[in-house]
Order: sequence, then C-alpha cells, then structure tokens
Amino acid sequence: GAVVSQHPSRVICKSGTSVKIECRSLDFQATTMFWYRQFPKQSLMLMATSNEGSKATYEQGVEKDKFLINHASLTLSTLTVTSAHPEDSSFYICSASQGRSSGNTIYFGEGSWLTVV
Amino acid sequence: GQNIDQPTEMTATEGAIVQINCTYQTSGFNGLFWYQQHAGEAPTFLSYNVLDGLEEKGRFSSFLSRSKGYSYLLLKELQMKDSASYLCAVIGRRKGGGNKLTFGTGTQLKVEL
Repeated sequence: GAVVSQHPSRVICKSGTSVKIECRSLDFQATTMFWYRQFPKQSLMLMATSNEGSKATYEQGVEKDKFLINHASLTLSTLTVTSAHPEDSSFYICSASQGRSSGNTIYFGEGSWLTVV
Repeated sequence: GQNIDQPTEMTATEGAIVQINCTYQTSGFNGLFWYQQHAGEAPTFLSYNVLDGLEEKGRFSSFLSRSKGYSYLLLKELQMKDSASYLCAVIGRRKGGGNKLTFGTGTQLKVEL
C-alpha cells in the first residue's frame, strides 16, 4: 500500500535554531499534504495544508513565518520550524493525500518528535 | 468552521463490545475517518464513511448518519491491545476552496481484564 515517510523521527535542537522536517510520499504523487502538531495527551491540530506548486494554507493562529512549508514536488513537503523555542517542542505529523478529492486516500507519516532545549 | 465532539475517555472489559460516539458540525461534509493512536505513535487508519450506514471491517465497525452529524465506532471482542486513543476526524470544505481534515480530541479507551 501507499507509504508516507517522515524524517527525522526525533530531533533535538537548541533554542533559536531552525529545524527541517521532511515528508515524502514513497509510491504515489501527493497533490496535497497536511501538517499537524500534537502536544502530549491532546489531539492532532492542523497547522497548514500544502498544495504542490502553490502556497500553503495556514490555520488560524499558526505563524506562517515561523513554520515554513514548502511543497516543491509531488512527493516531498518540508516543514521548517524557524527560531525554535522550547514551547515548539511537540510531535509533528504529516499526512499526504493521493488526490484532490476526499476519500480514504489520506496516509500519515510516522511523526517527528521535536525537542527544543 | 468545524466542531467535533467525542468522549474524553472510556473503560471496557476484555472480550466486551464498546461504542465510541462522535458528533460533528461542518460545512461541506466530505467524509469521516476513525483512527487509532497509541501513545507516542502516529495515527493508524481504521475506517472511512462518506455515505450513511454501517461499514464493517473485522472487529471494527463504523456508522454514519449525515443528517444527524453523528458517527460511532464499534469495537467487538475487545483485546488489551485495543487500549489506545480513538480519533474521529471529519473532512469539510475550507473557505476559499479545498478540503480540510479536522480531528476530534480523541477518546482514550482503557481495556481491563
């Protein structure tokens, strides 16, 4: 079946630095990718929706200059957390959609644990 | 916007049946998912409903009523490994076009002996 790969699975960075998380669709072309953040014991919160070849759509309250999303190809989207702070420490998960229509064609990556020290 | 409600936690006995309810409000409904998530892991897909009715898949079944904005996930023959968080997620229409998948807060299920 379709697989979405996310890298790195765990990363520790110093406060003030930037960290990039990659999300790849391995055997299908993902026209749409979603980025979520999940704090401990809370549900997934949608951060942004990225569409290949166009600007990402950010959810209310998510700083687009802090969380840079690039979806330059049909198989890769990246989330860059810029000037990271300890409160950005969280579980970040991407999901990829195989087509613009809805359906059970949304696949999740394995998630990335970010710890900012 | 979208609003999704599900119970925070439930407890059930091994071998029993448990039903986890989810109510939602959304514009441009385009499908409802149920996911299972173990602590520290990404969600795993359980079911997808877009039409009214019951979808059965092994020990798991999911029901949808679009007119009532209601779904439930039914787990039969509960096993200890079913202890996890169960997330209800709805695809709705986003303002300006495109779809948006929104998750409920999740129901933490604890299966006891």
